[in-house]
Amino acid sequence: DQQVKQNSPSLSVQEGRISILNCDYTNSMFDYFLWYKKYPAEGPTFLISISSIKDKNEDGRFTVFLNKSAKHLSLHIVPSQPGDSAVYFCAASIKGTSYGKLTFGQGTILTVHP
Amino acid sequence: SAVISQKPSRDICQRGTSLTIQCQVDSQVTMMFWYRQQPGQSLTLIATANQGSEATYESGFVIDKFPISRPNLTFSTLTVSNLSPEDSSIYLCSGTPGGAGETQYFGPGTRLLVL
Repeated sequence: DQQVKQNSPSLSVQEGRISILNCDYTNSMFDYFLWYKKYPAEGPTFLISISSIKDKNEDGRFTVFLNKSAKHLSLHIVPSQPGDSAVYFCAASIKGTSYGKLTFGQGTILTVHP
Repeated sequence: SAVISQKPSRDICQRGTSLTIQCQVDSQVTMMFWYRQQPGQSLTLIATANQGSEATYESGFVIDKFPISRPNLTFSTLTVSNLSPEDSSIYLCSGTPGGAGETQYFGPGTRLLVL
């Protein structure tokens, strides 16, 4: 049962343009969502998060949008840079639980071309 | 945030042996977690490690295969026992400097190859 899904295995964009990575979830109990970036041979690096009480959170070039009714979130990167090329994972958790474990999507490989 | 280190960074092990992975955090963290990332797959939670209590394992993972220690608020170990080639994966630890459900920060991972 894949509760967090990233349906696009890969995305290719030109440097300077917008990258939009999408994520869908099925568990309505999730109330905290995160995006991580992962380079080969490294651990995931936290990028940005959003609580379910918000519909948008912005941090520099990164913006996360949350549509609770559609159970969908997206990460926008503007402008995209070649150094953004990595695997991007969305993750979800239930803050009210005693452990707060993360459920990850399958990841999307982003390639930004110069 | 938290800075997390893992040792070893990689290892090649023989079938039937065990490998213990160490995870060190630069600050006290409430929760520590152990994940596995099999080739081409996403991250799957193995267990949650709290200090002073037994780890809580996810479905499909058992203590005999993945014993975990959490002796204090900055350190944990994961042992992968009785290794088989199917255990070849990246093993990652993470920690939450805040409370439960807050942002998790990850170590660099341990890349295990079992022959």
